[in-house]
Amino acid sequence: NAGVMQNPRHLVRRRGQEARLRCSPMKGHSHVYWYRQLPEEGLKFMVYLQKENIIDESGMPKERFSAEFPKEGPSILRIQQVVRGDSAAYFCASSADSYNSPLHFGNGTRLTVT
Amino acid sequence: GQQLNQSPQSMFIQEGEDVSMNCTSSSIFNTWLWYKQDPGEGPVLLIALYKAGELTSNGRLTAQFGITRKDSFLNISASIPSDVGIYFCASSGGSNYKLTFGKGTLLTVNP
Repeated sequence: NAGVMQNPRHLVRRRGQEARLRCSPMKGHSHVYWYRQLPEEGLKFMVYLQKENIIDESGMPKERFSAEFPKEGPSILRIQQVVRGDSAAYFCASSADSYNSPLHFGNGTRLTVT
Repeated sequence: GQQLNQSPQSMFIQEGEDVSMNCTSSSIFNTWLWYKQDPGEGPVLLIALYKAGELTSNGRLTAQFGITRKDSFLNISASIPSDVGIYFCASSGGSNYKLTFGKGTLLTVNP
């Protein structure tokens, strides 16, 4: 996991609040991916970004969820008006390219909605 | 959508024993990956397989990409206590980044 940095590690939000999750990819990686893991489940793909571009957001809910990867700074996954069902571990991964390089994951942000 | 059937769900073994787990699918995949996840951590890549029939080792771990491209197995030899964790298979079809994960195999090793 060394290299992909996510913060915060734990985040508690009340229903209706906004959650902002940050991810800095490994050095030299320009491809970032967000996955969500529900308890006792495998990870599920949400979105793929390169610098300033969303490449594939087919796994992301259409409402309340958004992601960005600005030219400068970390990638941000934003969840507006959180609901209890948003409680999960959110993992960011990065790779050197999207074709042959395997994904390397960060340690995740565990979101709890009360 | 595509699904991976990973088995067994959990295993309890004695230190020193060998372990085998596998993943199957009704779909054909181009890549098979095996990850290990410790509690409170992210998945760590153990082995990546890119060709049907490929057999790859990483220390005490060995994994194979099935000839039919619909399955893969992971073997751990001479298990030790630090092998404890959840092992996930993951695969991709056309896009290497859009991984489908199995539900995991929880491994417990009794010293």
